[in-house]
Amino acid sequence: DAGVIQSPRHEVTEMGQEVTLRCKPISGHDYLFWYRQTMMRGLELLIYFNNNVPIDDSGMPEDRFSAKMPNASFSTLKIQPSEPRDSAVYFCASSPTGRNYGYTFGSGTRLTVV
Amino acid sequence: AQSVTQLDSHVSVSEGTPVLLRCNYSSSYSPSLFWYVQHPNKGLQLLLKYTSAATLVKGINGFEAEFKKSETSFHLTKPSAHMSDAAEYFCVVSAGAAGNKLTFGGGTRVLVKP
Repeated sequence: DAGVIQSPRHEVTEMGQEVTLRCKPISGHDYLFWYRQTMMRGLELLIYFNNNVPIDDSGMPEDRFSAKMPNASFSTLKIQPSEPRDSAVYFCASSPTGRNYGYTFGSGTRLTVV
Repeated sequence: AQSVTQLDSHVSVSEGTPVLLRCNYSSSYSPSLFWYVQHPNKGLQLLLKYTSAATLVKGINGFEAEFKKSETSFHLTKPSAHMSDAAEYFCVVSAGAAGNKLTFGGGTRVLVKP
């Protein structure tokens, strides 16, 4: 299994531009999570899906952020318009149902907004 | 509700000496507990997990953790630190109805001195 795959690994964009981050979860995992990590705030849960349906988006910072999961093998996190304070590492993680499994994390996307 | 407290934000050890990372949890339900490691500029990797079987859990790279219900603790140890153990470590709890939703501790950054 290739694990959780995120793309791109690095993204540098100008303020005001749209940014789309992508994630392919592990096949058979029915939960998908988006996290953001910064030095100041640590690891923050942004949103998570179960069977492609968003369950809790209370961590999404503001309306500029949106996430979709059109099918079981693909999810996107979009920021429009981007701002310098969005600079962070964004992680995607997936897990099967059940509290004994933990999450498998992707390698992350390092976003820099200049 | 559930929560996790990592008692040390930074730990410094000499190579070859024992490592102890302290973690206390709070949970209304019987918890599952995890330790994750994050090396610099990498994603989070599962080190080990407790899921109500043996209270002493062995993980990768020589780490182990002991679940102590009476103390609500799940401390991580390693008998002899290696330079490659320099990383950030996260204690994580999963419990309750939202069993797939993990609660992360704030992290402990480990520095290994030669």
